[in-house]
Amino acid sequence: GQQLNQSPQSMFIQEGEDVSMNCTSSSIFNTWLWYKQDPGEGPVLLIALYKAGELTSNGRLTAQFGITRKDSFLNISASIPSDVGIYFCAGQLKGSSNTGKLIFGQGTTLQVKP
Amino acid sequence: KAGVTQTPRYLIKTRGQQVTLSCSPISGHRSVSWYQQTPGQGLQFLFEYFSETQRNKGNFPGRFSGRQFSNSRSEMNVSTLELGDSALYLCASSLGTGGGGYTFGSGTRLTVV
Repeated sequence: GQQLNQSPQSMFIQEGEDVSMNCTSSSIFNTWLWYKQDPGEGPVLLIALYKAGELTSNGRLTAQFGITRKDSFLNISASIPSDVGIYFCAGQLKGSSNTGKLIFGQGTTLQVKP
Repeated sequence: KAGVTQTPRYLIKTRGQQVTLSCSPISGHRSVSWYQQTPGQGLQFLFEYFSETQRNKGNFPGRFSGRQFSNSRSEMNVSTLELGDSALYLCASSLGTGGGGYTFGSGTRLTVV
């Protein structure tokens, strides 16, 4: 099936450092979403992107919808211990046959050292 | 505003049994999607319901089925359980009319023994 390639797979950083992760695909998406998941819980939506080139911020988080519509990145600035968790990108393909269906990346596990 | 509610949170079943999971979406949301999350396969789309109709379906065997009621609550059923069905089952609700994000519930952890 469709795949999103998310990298890096894991990151171990020092508190205060900036973090960057990205997702790429060979397919064109009309929506990109970034989620954070804590152990035993469902993913929580961080940022939603709907237009190519769109750059959106949510506090210390910034995400962009790639111009080619095949990629997206998420940046976290000045990381803090509570940023620990698994971050997922998710995309929705064009077309009515893809309504309600998200394709997820494999996730980036972030660990922050105080 | 209440979030997405999934029940039960945890479930242990024996191989060959069947199970029904429930999802109550955010008030006003008419779309409910279901996902299976496993360490090996990640998050995989099962199906999506909108206004009581299945609108989209993933690549899962027919043992996995679902339905949606007139109040938008949804259930998914897995029959003849296999060990490999052990997973976190998540549902997500949305307006279903395009745009907007998808809000996930906390999931149901199913263990098949």
